[in-house]
Amino acid sequence: SAVISQKPSRDICQRGTSLTIQCQVDSQVTMMFWYRQQPGQSLTLIATANQGSEATYESGFVIDKFPISRPNLTFSTLTVSNMSPEDSSIYLCSVTYFGRALNEQFFGPGTRLTVL
Amino acid sequence: EDQVTQSPEALRLQEGESSSLNCSYTVSGLRGLFWYRQDPGKGPEFLFTLYSAGEEKEKERLKATLTKKESFLHITAPKPEDSATYLCAVQAVSVWEGGKLIFGQGTELSVKP
Repeated sequence: SAVISQKPSRDICQRGTSLTIQCQVDSQVTMMFWYRQQPGQSLTLIATANQGSEATYESGFVIDKFPISRPNLTFSTLTVSNMSPEDSSIYLCSVTYFGRALNEQFFGPGTRLTVL
Repeated sequence: EDQVTQSPEALRLQEGESSSLNCSYTVSGLRGLFWYRQDPGKGPEFLFTLYSAGEEKEKERLKATLTKKESFLHITAPKPEDSATYLCAVQAVSVWEGGKLIFGQGTELSVKP
């Protein structure tokens, strides 16, 4: 399978600021997703990143707080806006590949965010 | 409400001591069930997809099985390198194939030499 990278791998931020996380894949993929993994909790889907159009957000997540872009088939960004300590979490992107089932998701290494 | 429950939360085994992890699910029609392995500080690694009751998948010391209400991940003669958190996820038929997966909280497996 292809290589999925995320930048940054970790960051410590002050409350009220914003952080943009990048997800890059070295081959074209069909779907791209963004998840949150809070300490001691399961992975929760934030949104599906749609190429060239607005992301599709899950209940409880809004575009103003988590703006997402996907300008092409291999790259997406997630911004965590106006951060508070409750946003401290691991943020993961996942992808699905051409030739595989659309529900077989492969994950990047994650971005560990701490908000002070 | 669609839900996934994994048990136990943590499991400690001696090397060579076989055991099973459980994933119970409540979903309005199952489209697929997925097992992942997650090492500390890393993203989940895809292991298996199961689609229908009675289906089994194997990979090295791992075997995943599926019934209408639960899935088991059997670990035969585990080694210390099998230590990780194992995650289970389901997808309901009410969402399209590229739609949402619902994850359980995972089972943290520790295998001691």
